[in-house]
Amino acid sequence: GQQLNQSPQSMFIQEGEDVSMNCTSSSIFNTWLWYKQEPGEGPVLLIALYKAGELTSNGRLTAQFGITRKDSFLNISASIPSDVGIYFCAGQPPSGGATNKLIFGTGTLLAVQP
Amino acid sequence: GAGVSQSPSNKVTEKGKDVELRCDPISGHTALYWYRQSLGQGLEFLIYFQGNSAPDKSGLPSDRFSAERTGGSVSTLTIQRTQQEDSAVYLCASSLGHIQYFGAGTRLSVL
Repeated sequence: GQQLNQSPQSMFIQEGEDVSMNCTSSSIFNTWLWYKQEPGEGPVLLIALYKAGELTSNGRLTAQFGITRKDSFLNISASIPSDVGIYFCAGQPPSGGATNKLIFGTGTLLAVQP
Repeated sequence: GAGVSQSPSNKVTEKGKDVELRCDPISGHTALYWYRQSLGQGLEFLIYFQGNSAPDKSGLPSDRFSAERTGGSVSTLTIQRTQQEDSAVYLCASSLGHIQYFGAGTRLSVL
């Protein structure tokens, strides 16, 4: 089935640094979503992208829907300790509206040193 | 409540016992999903309910796993004859469209 390759697997950075992570797929998606999961919690939606080439920001977060529809990236600027968590990308494959299933990436673990 | 609610939050059981995990979705959400997350791993899709349609069970790892959704609302995931490899966090999500909202999960430990 469809798979999402997410990289890097983990990042250990200093507070104030910028972060970049990305997801790639062998096939196209209609929608890209980015979620963040903190310890002991479920994933929470950060950003949703709906059109190829779309660039969307949410505070210090910026995400883009790749022009080929097979990739997406998430940038975090000026990281702070509360950015710690696991970041997941998720894509909705074309299905003619038959399903709302998402394919999730393997996650990027982010650790921020104060 | 306002969000997806899962119970229990933690469950410790002995190998071979059956367990039931409960999910209360957001009111009005037509779709409900179960995922499994092993330590340090991503989300493994288990099963998906959409309205009155037959559920998509393609992610269930064995016939020891089953789920039902009664009245289009609450869902129960049942694991029979639990094995140690079933130890994981079981996450439930619900949605009206494609954006899924997650509960905090049930951490299952099989001794």
